[in-house]
Amino acid sequence: DQQVKQNSPSLSVQEGRISILNCDYTNSMFDYFLWYKKYPAEGPTFLISISSIKDKNEDGRFTVFLNKSAKHLSLHIVPSQPGDSAVYFCAASADTQGGSEKLVFGKGMKLTVNP
Amino acid sequence: DTGVSQNPRHKITKRGQNVTFRCDPISEHNRLYWYRQTLGQGPEFLTYFQNEAQLEKSRLLSDRFSAERPKGSFSTLEIQRTEQGDSAMYLCASSQGSGTDTQYFGPGTRLTVL
Repeated sequence: DQQVKQNSPSLSVQEGRISILNCDYTNSMFDYFLWYKKYPAEGPTFLISISSIKDKNEDGRFTVFLNKSAKHLSLHIVPSQPGDSAVYFCAASADTQGGSEKLVFGKGMKLTVNP
Repeated sequence: DTGVSQNPRHKITKRGQNVTFRCDPISEHNRLYWYRQTLGQGPEFLTYFQNEAQLEKSRLLSDRFSAERPKGSFSTLEIQRTEQGDSAMYLCASSQGSGTDTQYFGPGTRLTVL
């Protein structure tokens, strides 16, 4: 079963507008969440993370929101730029021993930012 | 470059052959992870090491797969008697292994089994 779900396979937005990427999870033991960006033929690049003790984390143009009761998180990119075009993965882990263990990934969503 | 490195970047092999991949983590990172990614899917966890100890193995890691991290630095992933279903991107990641921790990924090794 898919413990981390990214239900929209793709999103297209205009340059300068906001991009909102959504992610849902089912495992209540998850307490650390990450977003990665991936270009073709490259490994995932870490973007931003959030711990379950927070509901928002911001880093420049990127903000991640966490709604624990709904088991939902979202990544906001504003303003979107053409260089943001990539596949975005949501990932989660259960931090059981003071360090991250395995990450569980969603299937990814392809973001296209049009000039 | 102080990121995670993986070699080779691409490997084409015939079914039944053995292949070995290498991962060099970020130097101060204690934890090293292997993932596999197939087309249209997110990366799937295979195994991870805390220093030289292999702490967890996924059910995806059949007995044809073996991973080692002998000195707690670089790691190797070997696949014996490769099958076409092994074709995938094999990703390595490392992390410090303490506190709220972020895994940093290498560029991956693309395996094609003919």
